[in-house]
Amino acid sequence: GENVEQHPSTLSVQEGDSAVIKCTYSDSASNYFPWYKQELGKGPQLIIDIRSNVGEKKDQRIAVTLNKTAKHFSLHITETQPEDSAVYFCAARRRANTGNQFYFGTGTSLTVIP
Amino acid sequence: ETGVTQSPTHLIKTRGQQVTLRCSSQSGHNTVSWYQQALGQGPQFIFQYYREEENGRGNFPPRFSGLQFPNYSSELNVNALELDDSALYLCASSRTQGPTQYFGPGTRLLVL
Repeated sequence: GENVEQHPSTLSVQEGDSAVIKCTYSDSASNYFPWYKQELGKGPQLIIDIRSNVGEKKDQRIAVTLNKTAKHFSLHITETQPEDSAVYFCAARRRANTGNQFYFGTGTSLTVIP
Repeated sequence: ETGVTQSPTHLIKTRGQQVTLRCSSQSGHNTVSWYQQALGQGPQFIFQYYREEENGRGNFPPRFSGLQFPNYSSELNVNALELDDSALYLCASSRTQGPTQYFGPGTRLLVL
């Protein structure tokens, strides 16, 4: 099956700096890669996603890059703000004959220091 | 447009009991997925339902079962509860098997 690894597990940055979170996946059949932000006591919130036929996608301060050959994808947050502090998860969707399967990374706790 | 809702928000059960968790999908969404999130971990995919049938399953034993109803709402049933089943159970909905999922707030289950 698929295995998604995420690094780092914790990340502290000064307000205004950039933050980068990296994930790798193992199954070349995975074709969709979302990123979620989870605040304490809440469900994960989709912040950006990318499909396997695209190398990069940007939405204001957030961008995701995908390297299919190396099987890794990264989340980039620029001009970080204190409200960006949360746990971030990467995920991979694999389509199988039996249906969809989703695999999440173990999370990165991001702290933005004012 | 209403978001994904789950009930109850919290639940305490004892080992060996059975539990049913409920999820209402976001308006316009007909596909529902369930996840288990242990403390400090990422969500683990349990299964997905589309057109009232299971459409993909993760590595969970048969005592985890589900249902989807004609109005696209869904239930997760767990039999013979074990201590390790204590977790946050998340429901996510999407359009016709589409990959973009929107999560509910979760049900926190504690098994004693």
